[in-house]
Amino acid sequence: KQEVTQIPAALSVPEGENLVLNCSFTDSAIYNLQWFRQDPGKGLTSLLLIQSSQREQTSGRLNASLDKSSGRSTLYIAASQPGDSATYLCAVNDYKLSFGAGTTVTVRA
Amino acid sequence: DGGITQSPKYLFRKEGQNVTLSCEQNLNHDAMYWYRQDPGQGLRLIYYSQIVNDFQKGDIAEGYSVSREKKESFPLTVTSAQKNPTAFYLCASIPDGINEQFFGPGTRLTVL
Repeated sequence: KQEVTQIPAALSVPEGENLVLNCSFTDSAIYNLQWFRQDPGKGLTSLLLIQSSQREQTSGRLNASLDKSSGRSTLYIAASQPGDSATYLCAVNDYKLSFGAGTTVTVRA
Repeated sequence: DGGITQSPKYLFRKEGQNVTLSCEQNLNHDAMYWYRQDPGQGLRLIYYSQIVNDFQKGDIAEGYSVSREKKESFPLTVTSAQKNPTAFYLCASIPDGINEQFFGPGTRLTVL
């Protein structure tokens, strides 16, 4: 069974600092990995999707890397802003999505 | 606007009652999913459907039931057999099984 772990569970940084969020998974036979953002009491917003054949994907200040062989993905958020405060979830797709518990980020103004 | 809608946003249930959560999508996606989210935990899969009139159990299907009579609709019934139903329920859809998944805004269910 696929197990997905996100460390740390919570992170607090001053505005302007770069964020590094980690996601690890146990079974490397995946189709893709998806990063989501969740605001309190809301649904999930898709940020980035990395196919299994890709090493990284970028969108604006966000960059996600994927290393299938080591079972790891990292989400980088450059020059963090208070509006980046949210919970970030990664999900691994091996024909069904398995989610990590998330990293709750607070960006202090 | 294309998207996924869930209703109601908040739902209160008395012990012993069945309740049905609505999920509708106009994205023409084939597959639809129901997840449950509890505080501090990742999402857990309840049921999924890849085609009309067909659905499969996920990891925590006990106490839940679904139907898929139309492509755009995938309602979830929380039965009285579900021992701890208070949670945040999220519906999602996907064009095919290995593509980007899109989520609705969620329904928060509270048992009184």
